[in-house]
Amino acid sequence: DAGVIQSPRHEVTEMGQEVTLRCKPISGHNSLFWYRQTMMRGLELLIYFNNNVPIDDSGMPEDRFSAKMPNASFSTLKIQPSEPRDSAVYFCASSSRPGGYSNQPQHFGDGTRLSIL
Amino acid sequence: AQTVTQSQPEMSVQEAETVTLSCTYDTSESDYYLFWYKQPPSRQMILVIRQEAYKQQNATENRFSVNFQKAAKSFSLKISDSQLGDAAMYFCAYRSVLGDDKIIFGKGTRLHILP
Repeated sequence: DAGVIQSPRHEVTEMGQEVTLRCKPISGHNSLFWYRQTMMRGLELLIYFNNNVPIDDSGMPEDRFSAKMPNASFSTLKIQPSEPRDSAVYFCASSSRPGGYSNQPQHFGDGTRLSIL
Repeated sequence: AQTVTQSQPEMSVQEAETVTLSCTYDTSESDYYLFWYKQPPSRQMILVIRQEAYKQQNATENRFSVNFQKAAKSFSLKISDSQLGDAAMYFCAYRSVLGDDKIIFGKGTRLHILP
């Protein structure tokens, strides 16, 4: 059974460029989460979707960040324009809620290491 | 709002010894779930162990066990017979039973294993 798949694994780009990170959640999972991890701030939740609908985007740092989930098997996180301070590891995670109970953990992808020069 | 606190930014343990990582949380809810995740240098986030708050029995997974003290809102992780592969960042996490699906993570404890 495939886990959460993220691409690319590494991204290096110049300041001002558009960056698109991609995520394929585990099949059957109905919640999807985007996190950012840095040494200074730790693991931050940026946004999460339930049944493809954004539920909480209060963690999105500013208007340069946007996320979409056009269907149950795909999500993107876009940064436009990118800045050096956006350099971080970005994780996607998914989870399910069988029977309405949330004892299921989030399953994480391997992350995308983003470097903005 | 719920919070999760890991007061030990770093810890070290001798190989084959036992180490305990601390975690406290704050909540007004009576039912919830708690997790420990491990993040090795490969940066994968791996679930180590989970605990349902309604269960009095402490969860155990091989060399990993928890000490869940509900009244004290404490959820420590014990690693027995530490191995070099246990070196990682460990995150304590909280999730409500109902409501939204967000997990609240602590800041993490970096564990070093000394050979």
